[in-house]
Amino acid sequence: AQKVTQAQTEISVVEKEDVTLDCVYETRDTTYYLFWYKQPPSGELVFLIRRNSFDEQNEISGRYSWNFQKSTSSFNFTITASQVVDSAVYFCALSESNTGFQKLVFGTGTRLLVSP
Amino acid sequence: DADVTQTPRNRITKTGKRIMLECSQTKGHDRMYWYRQDPGLGLQLIYYSFDVKDINKGEISDGYSVSRQAQAKFSLSLESAIPNQTALYFCATSDLADPEDTQYFGPGTRLTVL
Repeated sequence: AQKVTQAQTEISVVEKEDVTLDCVYETRDTTYYLFWYKQPPSGELVFLIRRNSFDEQNEISGRYSWNFQKSTSSFNFTITASQVVDSAVYFCALSESNTGFQKLVFGTGTRLLVSP
Repeated sequence: DADVTQTPRNRITKTGKRIMLECSQTKGHDRMYWYRQDPGLGLQLIYYSFDVKDINKGEISDGYSVSRQAQAKFSLSLESAIPNQTALYFCATSDLADPEDTQYFGPGTRLTVL
């Protein structure tokens, strides 16, 4: 069965620190997709990134970067020079492609608190 | 204007009451989903619909029903609400024509059942 583990329940950092959010997944499929979503205090879910299982290239988008390693079944998310606006709950999710749609399995989320 | 809207945004109701949560989208997507989020947990899929005539149960459909009134509208009903249905409910949409099939979420409805 698919499973996503975000072992870090809550992380507190001071502004400008770098922070890495861990995500470990389990799946028996060879083709799958990994996602990160952000949930700010206002409650909505914001899509950040999607990766497929055949693309292990790291991705960088501004202060955000993602490290995908199939060997360790991990898809970690790093925020460089964190800002107060980064405070949110971050969810990692996994989906398999054989269901005909992206049936997402979510981790339990990591709450990031960035203080000034 | 938001592409995916949910009404109401907050609702407090009593045990045994029937309640409907509504979702509308202007993205033109054919696929729609309902999820619930419990404190400290990730999202769990309740129901999903690929088009108006195609509705499917998700992981936790017991106690819920849905109606896809049009391509743009997908409603979730609790026929007889109970306290353990207190949660944050999200609607999401995705586009069959999108090869990445990314799901886009609404702002959520916070439901409290007393």
